[in-house]
Amino acid sequence: AQKVTQAQTEISVVEKEDVTLDCVYETRDTTYYLFWYKQPPSGELVFLIRRNSFDEQNEISGRYSWNFQKSTSSFNFTITASQVVDSAVYFCALSETGSQGNLIFGKGTKLSVKP
Amino acid sequence: GAVVSQHPSRVICKSGTSVKIECRSLDFQATTMFWYRQFPKQSLMLMATSNEGSKATYEQGVEKDKFLINHASLTLSTLTVTSAHPEDSSFYICSALTRIAGAYNEQFFGPGTRLTVL
Repeated sequence: AQKVTQAQTEISVVEKEDVTLDCVYETRDTTYYLFWYKQPPSGELVFLIRRNSFDEQNEISGRYSWNFQKSTSSFNFTITASQVVDSAVYFCALSETGSQGNLIFGKGTKLSVKP
Repeated sequence: GAVVSQHPSRVICKSGTSVKIECRSLDFQATTMFWYRQFPKQSLMLMATSNEGSKATYEQGVEKDKFLINHASLTLSTLTVTSAHPEDSSFYICSALTRIAGAYNEQFFGPGTRLTVL
């Protein structure tokens, strides 16, 4: 069965620190998609990235980077030089190709960045 | 980009009343929309999949007679919480599915509706 595990419930860092949010997934499909979303206190989900299972290249977007490792079924997210505005709950999610786009979310990691 | 709206953004109602939440895809058509519920400090849980012109598919444990879903057009799905009780208080989020580059169907999320039942 498909499953997404975000073992870190809450993380607190001081501004300018780097922080990595872990995500481990389970799926029987060979083709699937992984996502990260940010949910600030307002509640609206903000899409950050989608990665398909055939693309293991790491991605960097500004201060954000993602490390996809199929061998360990992980899709970790790193924020470099964190800022207070990064404070939010971050969700990792999985979608299998036969699921009509249905997303399985992890429990989320609450990141608090203190000034 | 694809925009999904929800109305209302916030609603407070008395126990026993019914509340309707609208989800609209503003600049695209969506044959499929999803309804999620999120309790405080918890993850999003899929409640049901709404398909235009047909009955919704509910996830296990979700009462279809309590959470009525209507997807009458390609741009609008509604969720009605009937006879709401305090335990139905939650953040309800919808998403609309559309095909983007290649063969991939992507979900675009609405901003959510915070329901408080007194």
